[in-house]
Amino acid sequence: GESVGLHLPTLSVQEGDNSIINCAYSNSASDYFIWYKQESGKGPQFIIDIRSNMDKRQGQRVTVLLNKTVKHLSLQIAATQPGDSAVYFCAENIPGGYNKLIFGAGTRLAVHP
Amino acid sequence: NAGVTQTPKFQVLKTGQSMTLQCAQDMNHNSMYWYRQDPGMGLRLIYYSASEGTTDKGEVPNGYNVSRLNKREFSLRLESAAPSQTSVYFCASSRGQQETQYFGPGTRLLVL
Repeated sequence: GESVGLHLPTLSVQEGDNSIINCAYSNSASDYFIWYKQESGKGPQFIIDIRSNMDKRQGQRVTVLLNKTVKHLSLQIAATQPGDSAVYFCAENIPGGYNKLIFGAGTRLAVHP
Repeated sequence: NAGVTQTPKFQVLKTGQSMTLQCAQDMNHNSMYWYRQDPGMGLRLIYYSASEGTTDKGEVPNGYNVSRLNKREFSLRLESAAPSQTSVYFCASSRGQQETQYFGPGTRLLVL
Protein backbone atom coordinates (compact mmCIF):
# COMPACT_ATOMS: atom_id res chain seq x y z
CA GLY A 1 0.00 0.00 0.00
CA GLU A 2 0.94 3.65 -0.08
CA SER A 3 3.59 4.46 2.49
CA VAL A 4 3.24 8.23 2.17
CA GLY A 5 1.16 10.00 4.75
CA LEU A 6 1.07 7.38 7.50
CA HIS A 7 1.19 10.03 10.21
CA LEU A 8 -0.65 12.88 8.57
CA PRO A 9 -3.51 14.80 10.15
CA THR A 10 -6.84 13.52 8.85
CA LEU A 11 -10.01 15.39 8.04
CA SER A 12 -13.08 13.15 7.95
CA VAL A 13 -16.23 14.43 6.23
CA GLN A 14 -19.54 13.06 5.07
CA GLU A 15 -20.21 12.83 1.37
CA GLY A 16 -21.98 15.98 0.23
CA ASP A 17 -20.56 18.18 2.98
CA ASN A 18 -18.11 21.00 2.31
CA SER A 19 -14.48 20.43 3.30
CA ILE A 20 -11.94 22.99 4.41
CA ILE A 21 -8.27 22.07 4.47
CA ASN A 22 -5.88 24.51 6.07
CA CYS A 23 -2.23 25.27 5.54
CA ALA A 24 0.16 27.62 7.32
CA TYR A 25 3.05 28.73 5.15
CA SER A 26 6.45 29.76 6.31
CA ASN A 27 7.81 32.65 4.32
CA SER A 28 6.24 36.10 4.15
CA ALA A 29 8.03 36.70 0.83
CA SER A 30 6.29 33.76 -0.85
CA ASP A 31 4.42 35.01 -3.88
CA TYR A 32 2.67 32.02 -5.36
CA PHE A 33 0.79 29.14 -3.78
CA ILE A 34 -0.46 25.85 -5.14
CA TRP A 35 -2.71 23.11 -3.88
CA TYR A 36 -2.01 19.56 -4.96
CA LYS A 37 -4.04 16.38 -4.53
CA GLN A 38 -2.26 13.05 -4.17
CA GLU A 39 -4.19 9.81 -4.42
CA SER A 40 -2.72 6.59 -3.12
CA GLY A 41 0.04 5.31 -5.37
CA LYS A 42 0.01 8.33 -7.65
CA GLY A 43 1.93 11.54 -8.12
CA PRO A 44 0.69 14.94 -6.89
CA GLN A 45 -1.94 16.42 -9.16
CA PHE A 46 -2.39 20.19 -9.57
CA ILE A 47 -5.74 21.47 -8.27
CA ILE A 48 -5.61 25.25 -8.09
CA ASP A 49 -3.14 28.06 -7.57
CA ILE A 50 -3.19 31.64 -6.34
CA ARG A 51 -0.74 34.51 -6.52
CA SER A 52 -0.01 36.77 -3.60
CA ASN A 53 -1.80 39.76 -5.15
CA MET A 54 -5.10 37.90 -4.74
CA ASP A 55 -6.96 36.71 -1.66
CA LYS A 56 -9.45 34.34 -3.29
CA ARG A 57 -9.62 32.22 -6.37
CA GLN A 58 -12.33 29.80 -7.46
CA GLY A 59 -12.24 26.74 -9.60
CA GLN A 60 -14.66 23.95 -10.25
CA ARG A 61 -15.96 22.97 -6.78
CA VAL A 62 -12.79 24.33 -5.18
CA THR A 63 -11.90 27.71 -3.71
CA VAL A 64 -8.55 28.81 -2.37
CA LEU A 65 -8.33 31.61 0.21
CA LEU A 66 -5.11 33.41 1.04
CA ASN A 67 -4.56 35.43 4.21
CA LYS A 68 -1.14 37.01 3.99
CA THR A 69 -1.47 38.74 7.34
CA VAL A 70 -1.34 35.44 9.20
CA LYS A 71 0.38 33.42 6.44
CA HIS A 72 -2.54 31.07 6.03
CA LEU A 73 -3.94 29.29 3.03
CA SER A 74 -7.10 27.21 2.83
CA LEU A 75 -8.70 24.94 0.27
CA GLN A 76 -12.46 24.63 0.27
CA ILE A 77 -14.07 21.73 -1.55
CA ALA A 78 -17.81 22.01 -2.13
CA ALA A 79 -20.11 18.98 -2.02
CA THR A 80 -17.27 16.58 -1.21
CA GLN A 81 -17.36 13.28 -3.09
CA PRO A 82 -15.73 9.90 -2.40
CA GLY A 83 -13.35 10.61 -5.29
CA ASP A 84 -12.00 13.57 -3.32
CA SER A 85 -10.45 11.21 -0.76
CA ALA A 86 -6.70 11.82 -0.98
CA VAL A 87 -3.81 13.65 0.64
CA TYR A 88 -3.82 17.38 -0.06
CA PHE A 89 -0.59 19.44 -0.07
CA CYS A 90 -0.09 23.13 -0.16
CA ALA A 91 3.09 24.50 -1.67
CA GLU A 92 4.56 27.99 -1.49
CA ASN A 93 6.91 29.50 -4.03
CA ILE A 94 9.82 31.46 -2.63
CA PRO A 95 10.92 33.97 -5.27
CA GLY A 96 14.43 34.41 -6.52
CA GLY A 97 16.81 32.03 -8.23
CA TYR A 98 14.56 29.25 -9.38
CA ASN A 99 11.03 28.09 -9.03
CA LYS A 100 11.55 26.71 -5.56
CA LEU A 101 8.46 25.15 -4.09
CA ILE A 102 8.28 24.33 -0.39
CA PHE A 103 5.70 21.65 0.31
CA GLY A 104 3.72 21.08 3.45
CA ALA A 105 3.46 17.55 4.83
CA GLY A 106 -0.18 17.31 3.77
CA THR A 107 -3.61 16.55 5.17
CA ARG A 108 -5.49 13.36 4.49
CA LEU A 109 -9.13 13.87 3.49
CA ALA A 110 -11.39 10.89 4.17
CA VAL A 111 -14.89 11.08 2.68
CA HIS A 112 -17.49 8.78 4.18
CA PRO A 113 -20.75 7.81 2.48
CA ASN B 1 -0.07 13.84 -24.47
CA ALA B 2 1.33 11.70 -21.63
CA GLY B 3 2.59 14.59 -19.46
CA VAL B 4 5.44 13.44 -17.21
CA THR B 5 6.45 9.78 -17.37
CA GLN B 6 8.84 7.91 -15.10
CA THR B 7 10.54 4.53 -15.29
CA PRO B 8 10.75 2.18 -13.55
CA LYS B 9 7.64 2.16 -11.35
CA PHE B 10 9.25 -0.06 -8.71
CA GLN B 11 12.82 -1.07 -7.96
CA VAL B 12 14.57 -3.07 -5.26
CA LEU B 13 18.32 -2.57 -4.85
CA LYS B 14 20.96 -3.95 -2.56
CA THR B 15 23.18 -1.55 -0.67
CA GLY B 16 26.00 -0.37 -2.93
CA GLN B 17 24.23 -1.04 -6.22
CA SER B 18 23.70 1.74 -8.72
CA MET B 19 20.73 2.66 -10.85
CA THR B 20 19.29 5.46 -12.95
CA LEU B 21 15.72 6.72 -12.70
CA GLN B 22 14.37 8.03 -15.97
CA CYS B 23 11.99 10.94 -16.49
CA ALA B 24 10.55 12.42 -19.65
CA GLN B 25 8.00 15.15 -20.35
CA ASP B 26 6.18 15.96 -23.58
CA MET B 27 4.86 19.39 -22.59
CA ASN B 28 7.84 21.33 -24.00
CA HIS B 29 8.65 22.53 -20.48
CA ASN B 30 11.93 24.25 -19.79
CA SER B 31 12.37 23.30 -16.13
CA MET B 32 12.53 19.85 -14.58
CA TYR B 33 12.90 18.62 -11.01
CA TRP B 34 13.56 15.53 -8.91
CA TYR B 35 11.94 15.14 -5.50
CA ARG B 36 11.85 12.44 -2.87
CA GLN B 37 8.86 11.81 -0.65
CA ASP B 38 9.13 10.08 2.72
CA PRO B 39 6.33 9.11 5.11
CA GLY B 40 4.87 12.06 6.99
CA MET B 41 7.07 14.55 5.18
CA GLY B 42 6.58 16.96 2.35
CA LEU B 43 8.32 16.58 -0.97
CA ARG B 44 11.99 17.50 -0.81
CA LEU B 45 13.89 18.77 -3.81
CA ILE B 46 16.95 16.74 -4.76
CA TYR B 47 18.10 18.43 -7.97
CA TYR B 48 16.55 20.65 -10.58
CA SER B 49 17.27 21.84 -14.09
CA ALA B 50 16.07 25.36 -14.80
CA SER B 51 16.65 24.90 -18.53
CA GLU B 52 18.28 22.51 -20.94
CA GLY B 53 21.99 22.33 -20.25
CA THR B 54 21.85 23.43 -16.61
CA THR B 55 21.46 21.51 -13.36
CA ASP B 56 21.65 22.64 -9.75
CA LYS B 57 21.44 21.13 -6.30
CA GLY B 58 18.27 21.28 -4.29
CA GLU B 59 17.67 20.63 -0.61
CA VAL B 60 18.93 17.01 -0.38
CA PRO B 61 21.43 16.32 -3.21
CA ASN B 62 23.93 14.08 -1.38
CA GLY B 63 24.19 10.61 -2.89
CA TYR B 64 22.59 11.61 -6.19
CA ASN B 65 23.60 12.91 -9.59
CA VAL B 66 21.49 14.12 -12.48
CA SER B 67 21.71 14.55 -16.22
CA ARG B 68 19.54 16.81 -18.36
CA LEU B 69 19.89 14.72 -21.50
CA ASN B 70 17.82 17.05 -23.66
CA LYS B 71 14.80 19.29 -23.18
CA ARG B 72 12.50 16.30 -22.65
CA GLU B 73 14.56 14.05 -20.40
CA PHE B 74 16.02 14.42 -16.93
CA SER B 75 17.57 11.41 -15.22
CA LEU B 76 18.52 10.79 -11.58
CA ARG B 77 21.39 8.46 -10.73
CA LEU B 78 22.22 6.72 -7.49
CA GLU B 79 25.87 5.66 -7.74
CA SER B 80 25.97 3.58 -4.54
CA ALA B 81 22.53 3.06 -3.05
CA ALA B 82 22.03 3.25 0.71
CA PRO B 83 19.02 2.19 2.82
CA SER B 84 18.43 5.88 3.62
CA GLN B 85 17.59 6.34 -0.05
CA THR B 86 14.52 4.13 0.26
CA SER B 87 11.78 6.49 -0.79
CA VAL B 88 9.31 7.43 -3.49
CA TYR B 89 10.90 9.57 -6.17
CA PHE B 90 8.93 12.06 -8.22
CA CYS B 91 9.95 13.92 -11.30
CA ALA B 92 8.21 17.18 -12.17
CA SER B 93 8.36 19.79 -14.90
CA SER B 94 7.22 23.37 -15.37
CA ARG B 95 7.13 25.79 -18.25
CA GLY B 96 9.51 28.09 -16.42
CA GLN B 97 10.05 29.90 -13.18
CA GLN B 98 6.96 30.92 -11.24
CA GLU B 99 4.97 28.29 -13.09
CA THR B 100 3.05 25.32 -11.81
CA GLN B 101 4.98 22.06 -11.58
CA TYR B 102 3.40 18.92 -13.00
CA PHE B 103 4.38 15.58 -11.52
CA GLY B 104 4.99 12.10 -12.81
CA PRO B 105 3.54 8.95 -11.22
CA GLY B 106 6.63 8.22 -9.13
CA THR B 107 9.24 5.50 -8.71
CA ARG B 108 9.12 3.44 -5.53
CA LEU B 109 12.63 2.46 -4.50
CA LEU B 110 13.58 0.02 -1.76
CA VAL B 111 17.23 -0.32 -0.80
CA LEU B 112 18.03 -3.38 1.30
